[in-house]
Parts: sequence; structure tokens; C-alpha cells
Amino acid sequence: EAGVAQSPRYKIIEKRQSVAFWCNPISGHATLYWYQQILGQGPKLLIQFQNNGVVDDSQLPKDRFSAERLKGVDSTLKIQPAKLEDSAVYLCASSTDGSTDTQYFGPGTRLTVL
Amino acid sequence: QKEVEQDPGPLSVPEGAIVSLNCTYSNSAFQYFMWYRQYSRKGPELLMYTYSSGNKEDGRFTAQVDKSSKYISLFIRDSQPSDSATYLCAMSGAGGYNKLIFGAGTRLAVHP
Repeated sequence: EAGVAQSPRYKIIEKRQSVAFWCNPISGHATLYWYQQILGQGPKLLIQFQNNGVVDDSQLPKDRFSAERLKGVDSTLKIQPAKLEDSAVYLCASSTDGSTDTQYFGPGTRLTVL
Repeated sequence: QKEVEQDPGPLSVPEGAIVSLNCTYSNSAFQYFMWYRQYSRKGPELLMYTYSSGNKEDGRFTAQVDKSSKYISLFIRDSQPSDSATYLCAMSGAGGYNKLIFGAGTRLAVHP
């Protein structure tokens, strides 16, 4: 079974620029999550999708971050404009149905904002 | 106060040692408790999953949950250099959607 795929793996941008990350979850997984992991901290949930609907985006900085999951499969996370404090690893995870089942994580995208 | 507290370490032990990793939490609604292992430049992978209080054993790994003390532990027996990683505790509430709250992670180094 293929795991969660993410791209790019690394991205370096200057502040105020825009950036987008892509995630392809495990086939058949209805729930998709985006996490932000700042160096030295645990992952923090940014947004959770159930199929193509948003379940929880309470910690998403909506003035600069946006995410979509068209057709309930792939997802993109965008930052516009980026700030220095957005430097982090952005992790995508998926699970079968979003109840109490296991979340499977992708390798992450490491973003550096200069 | 953070919902989940975890000592970041680093923790350095010799091969073969017993390792004890711990987290405390403040939200009594947490019912599901997990330990994830994260190797450098990789995503977290689920290691142990426990519901409510009690112990769970899987090979060299034992997870313990004490809800009365709001304290969870992971024990690693006969530690190996391949166990060198960051260990993240995570927990979620009963029912509903599966929002995980993570600790900061403890970095473990097992040296030969």
C-alpha cells in the first residue's frame, strides 16, 4: 500500500512570497489533515478535511493560509504572503474515517522563509 | 499551561538500556493515547495506541496510561541504536473527529 505523498520536500522562499504544498493521501482515506511542525515542537493541526468538507480549521491563520481538497482526494495548502515565523515542516496525514483510527503521515515539506 | 507536556530531552542511553519516556496532560477528556516515532526528516509513524487507562505491550515496547494522574509512559526494553529518534506522545478526546494534540517530543539517542 502506497503511503501519503507530499511535494515538494523542501522549499526556500523570501518573506511576502507565496508558496503551495501538495498532498496525495492513501487511497480510500476519507480524512485528510495538514499539520505544522515548528522545530523543537510537536505537530499542530492546521486543518482537517472529511472528504472535501472542512471539519476543523480553528488553528489555520486564515488571513494568509488557505487549503482545499477538490474531489475529496488530493489537497493543496497555500501560504500568501509568507512570514518568517511560517518556517516549519508541513505534514500531511490521512486516515480512514476520521474517528479514532490511525493517522498516517507523509514525509513533510520543509519550508524556510528568509 | 500546555495541554500536553513532554520533556524534550535529549536523552542519551547505551545500547541495551531500558528507556522511559513520559508525558503529562491537563485535559481529562482525552481518551485515546498514542506514541509516535519520528526519524530525522521523516513524518511521524504510529508506535503504540492505547484506549483509556492500562498497559499495552508490543515486543520491546510497553505503553502505560494512568488517567487518575494524567500521566502516560512509554518504556523501551533492550534499546537499540535503531531506536534513536524523536518520540512524540499524542492524545485525543472521546468520539467526534480525531483531533490529535501532540507533545513537543523527546529526542532519544541510543549509542552502541
